[in-house]
Amino acid sequence: GAGVSQSPRYKVAKRGQDVALRCDPISGHVSLFWYQQALGQGPEFLTYFQNEAQLDKSGLPSDRFFAERPEGSVSTLKIQRTQQEDSAVYLCASSLYAGLNYGYTFGSGTRLTVV
Amino acid sequence: KQEVTQIPAALSVPEGENLVLNCSFTDSAIYNLQWFRQDPGKGLTSLLLIQSSQREQTSGRLNASLDKSSGRSTLYIAASQPGDSATYLCAVILDNFNKFYFGSGTKLNVKP
Repeated sequence: GAGVSQSPRYKVAKRGQDVALRCDPISGHVSLFWYQQALGQGPEFLTYFQNEAQLDKSGLPSDRFFAERPEGSVSTLKIQRTQQEDSAVYLCASSLYAGLNYGYTFGSGTRLTVV
Repeated sequence: KQEVTQIPAALSVPEGENLVLNCSFTDSAIYNLQWFRQDPGKGLTSLLLIQSSQREQTSGRLNASLDKSSGRSTLYIAASQPGDSATYLCAVILDNFNKFYFGSGTKLNVKP
């Protein structure tokens, strides 16, 4: 596709449920990033992939968060046993080259609400 | 840890006004600084990118400046229009260039 596609657009989960958020990057993009944006705040870094390798996961807030990109294209962010504080917009971005100093595109995000 | 602060948090101006949005960062060892626009329900759109060696960048009615030594950047919007209404985010990348550090944004409302 022409842009970064994220699904679902909206997700409501009951506290304690597991959720999976999907990111389809632009075809051929090497780098993929996940960010978490709480209401009224700027996005915060979660994790970074270069192809299938997860090079930085320092922003994942707890071991309930897990991300994968097994074939170096589509990525899934999984959150286990969701808590209310996990409510946020989850943004995905992809970049043609390694790092963020070159062409990149952000998706529209998945809004997760934990009730 | 790099901290990025944006002032003001919200701004409401009548159409046609010139305005300035401010961004400050704590660690001056940045690789570059970028200004983004975020519309409700949409992703981030990059407006201007300033390399650490540059002082300013211009695109149309937008001008961004960077003073790396003092840890400050400003985004100047000339002759504002209602279509400029959005949240403007400032972000820096450090030398390891694999993550943005974002400010909390300035929510701009331009009234017709």
